[in-house]
Amino acid sequence: SQTIHQWPATLVQPVGSPLSLECTVEGTSNPNLYWYRQAAGRGLQLLFYSIGIGQISSEVPQNLSASRPQDRQFILSSKKLLLSDSGFYLCAWSPDRGNSPLHFGNGTRLTVT
Amino acid sequence: KQEVTQIPAALSVPEGENLVLNCSFTDSAIYNLQWFRQDPGKGLTSLLLIQSSQREQTSGRLNASLDKSSGRSTLYIAASQPGDSATYLCAVLMDSNYQLIWGAGTKLIIKP
Repeated sequence: SQTIHQWPATLVQPVGSPLSLECTVEGTSNPNLYWYRQAAGRGLQLLFYSIGIGQISSEVPQNLSASRPQDRQFILSSKKLLLSDSGFYLCAWSPDRGNSPLHFGNGTRLTVT
Repeated sequence: KQEVTQIPAALSVPEGENLVLNCSFTDSAIYNLQWFRQDPGKGLTSLLLIQSSQREQTSGRLNASLDKSSGRSTLYIAASQPGDSATYLCAVLMDSNYQLIWGAGTKLIIKP
């Protein structure tokens, strides 16, 4: 069966520090991969999605970036964190882009101080 | 621009009741509609996916309906249990660009 792993679960970082969140999927190949951010009381905001290695689409211009160095690995990064980057970050995957639901990791709670 | 609305934002009911959660959307050009549940501090779990050509989907005590022309979906939960307490989110997948547009969710509390 397929599983998705996301880490760390919580992170506290000072303003201006770098960020690296990692997500891996097991039990499938060539998944569509997604990074979302969730603000309290609001819907999910799509940050990046990828349909293959090295293929990244950005939905929201900001100081975050994403990379997909391997088929089942998706990394969210920042060179310098802002206070506004605080939030709950979720990685998700799906086998296709329409006929199957998304499967989410357990999320990372990021607090920028 | 597609907007997805979930009303009410919060709902508290006694255990054992049947209940309905609502999701409305403004643009009917959708590929599918999905319902998820989210427990506090956790990721989302997929509950039901309804393709645009379908009217409803069922899984156990859950039944989701879709009326695309009126821009509405409902999630029916039968015989509610305390374990059903969670936030329920709906999302529509757009036909044009395969982007998921999310509602803000309904926080459901089932009182023992």
